[in-house]
Formats: sequence, structure tokens, C-alpha cells
Amino acid sequence: DVKVTQSSRYLVKRTGEKVFLECVQDMDHENMFWYRQDPGLGLRLIYFSYDVKMKEKGDIPEGYSVSREKKERFSLILESASTNQTSMYLCASSLPLDTINYGYTFGSGTRLTVV
Amino acid sequence: QQQVKQSPQSLIVQKGGIPIINCAYENTAFDYFPWYQQFPGKGPALLIAIRPDVSEKKEGRFTISFNKSAKQFSLHIMDSQPGDSATYFCSHRSGNTGKLIFGQGTTLQVKP
Repeated sequence: DVKVTQSSRYLVKRTGEKVFLECVQDMDHENMFWYRQDPGLGLRLIYFSYDVKMKEKGDIPEGYSVSREKKERFSLILESASTNQTSMYLCASSLPLDTINYGYTFGSGTRLTVV
Repeated sequence: QQQVKQSPQSLIVQKGGIPIINCAYENTAFDYFPWYQQFPGKGPALLIAIRPDVSEKKEGRFTISFNKSAKQFSLHIMDSQPGDSATYFCSHRSGNTGKLIFGQGTTLQVKP
């Protein structure tokens, strides 16, 4: 069964800490994405990557950065965590664009609380 | 920022009812409209998807209706069951990228 694995289900961090959220996929997908999920706001795209060492900003990149050194791993970095970054973070990977049933495979999410 | 507006935010129906979730989009360049289903503690999973060259798609009890001229699409769940209780997200994809833009989500509760 194909998988996207997020390293932590729950994290509690202090304001100002540097936070790393890790995501690994075993499907050899080229595309990977980071979203945050907040009630009433849905899923908002933070960053995405089409290939190793390539990244593009999504709709809400401020306060975040990403790293993709290997195809299977896409990391989200909170440079200096703030309380407004308390959220559920979802990683996803996807098939090529021309796939008939194009879609994402999501991880189970990391619920981050910044105190 | 490209948007998709989803309504209602929450929905309660009795078992056997037909909940309907609506979405409206702005940009006609979008070429693909998937719906995702999310159970508590899980990531969203692809449920059903439609392309704008068709007006309706059915998969089991789930139907997408697509109105290209109105820039709207909706999800209907026939004979809804308590196991359908979940959060549903509509989304769209622009033609030249792989990224999906999601609606705000609808939390559905199907009462026994």
C-alpha cells in the first residue's frame, strides 16, 4: 500500500523555536506539497516541490521554508515558531499531471501546538 | 489567490438523506475538480473527480454535478449512511500546475 508518512502526529513547541516537520513518500512521486488545515479555512498551500532541490511558494509561505534533498523526503521548516502557526500540517505527494485519476496522497498530519 | 468557495460549512442529515455540498470557482482555466473525504485523525483521501467537459459523474453513491457556465460544482451523496460522516473538501487544479486549491470544507454528520 502506498504511503506518505509524517514523522510526528503531535508536536508541542515553544515560541521562537526552529521546528522541522518531516514527510516521506514511498511512491517515487515527483510532486510533493505542504498544506496547513485550519477550521473554516480549509487546506491552504504553504510550499510545493516538483523535483529534488526545487521548490515554489504556495499561498501562505511567510514564516516557513522547505527542503527537498532527496526525492522521497520533503521537509517543512518553521524558522521561528509563533503561536499563529499552531495548526494541523498535511504533507501530500502526487502522480504526474497527465494521470487520468490525478490526485494527492496525503499523510495523516502533524498537529503542531506552539506555546 | 485563486479561490474556491464551499458551502455549507456543516451539514446534518438523517440516514438515507441526500446531502448536497456546493462549490463555486472563479477561473475558467481550471481543468480538474476532485473531491476529498477526511475522517477524524486521518489525512484527506481522494473520493471522486470530474473534468469540465462532462456535466455529471457517478461513483457508487457519490455524484458530482458540474455547471461550467455558472462555474459551480456540487457533491451529492445518495442514501447517506452514518459511515459517510466526515469532512468533505472540493478542490480544483489549474491547467499547467499540479497544485490543488481547496475549499473551506464541509463537516457532514449522518444521524442513524
